[in-house]
Amino acid sequence: DQQVKQNSPSLSVQEGRISILNCDYTNSMFDYFLWYKKYPAEGPTFLISISSIKDKNEDGRFTVFLNKSAKHLSLHIVPSQPGDSAVYFCAASEVMIKAAGNKLTFGGGTRVLVKP
Amino acid sequence: NAGVTQTPKFQVLKTGQSMTLQCAQDMNHNSMYWYRQDPGMGLRLIYYSASEGTTDKGEVPNGYNVSRLNKREFSLRLESAAPSQTSVYFCASSGPEGTVYGYTFGSGTRLTVV
Repeated sequence: DQQVKQNSPSLSVQEGRISILNCDYTNSMFDYFLWYKKYPAEGPTFLISISSIKDKNEDGRFTVFLNKSAKHLSLHIVPSQPGDSAVYFCAASEVMIKAAGNKLTFGGGTRVLVKP
Repeated sequence: NAGVTQTPKFQVLKTGQSMTLQCAQDMNHNSMYWYRQDPGMGLRLIYYSASEGTTDKGEVPNGYNVSRLNKREFSLRLESAAPSQTSVYFCASSGPEGTVYGYTFGSGTRLTVV
């Protein structure tokens, strides 16, 4: 059973509008959450993260919100740009820092298309 | 440029054939990982190596073996390929502290088993 789920496989949004991507998790031991962005024929790249001690983290146009009681997080992109068109993966870890072998559990991904 | 290098980028195998996917990183990272990406399933961990000399199973290890050749290199071997192993394979590394946001991924190997 998937411990991290992204229930929307795709999202289409107009340039300049807000993109909202959602992610749910079931493992209460997860303590650190990340979003990765992936373009075709490339590996995923880190976008933004949040620790469970926070409920919001912002980095430029990207904001991640965490609702730990609901085991839910979301990524907001404002304003959306055509270059944001990519697949976005939600990921979770039980710890932020570990001496070695810190494993990430990924969701299924959401494909975002930003229309000019 | 520093990063994670995977070879080959594409491969077609016949059922029952074997092959090894190569991965090398030049960032002096301690930990290395192999993931597979399938539609709707995201990235699932196959094997990982927390440090040189150690390897551990991930979520979907069946049908695969790994070797941590040295600190830089971590290979994934399919002994007898099956159509269910058709996927895109990503190698990643993290460290030296093992922080999750330190993950760096390679560009992937697209494998088709016919």
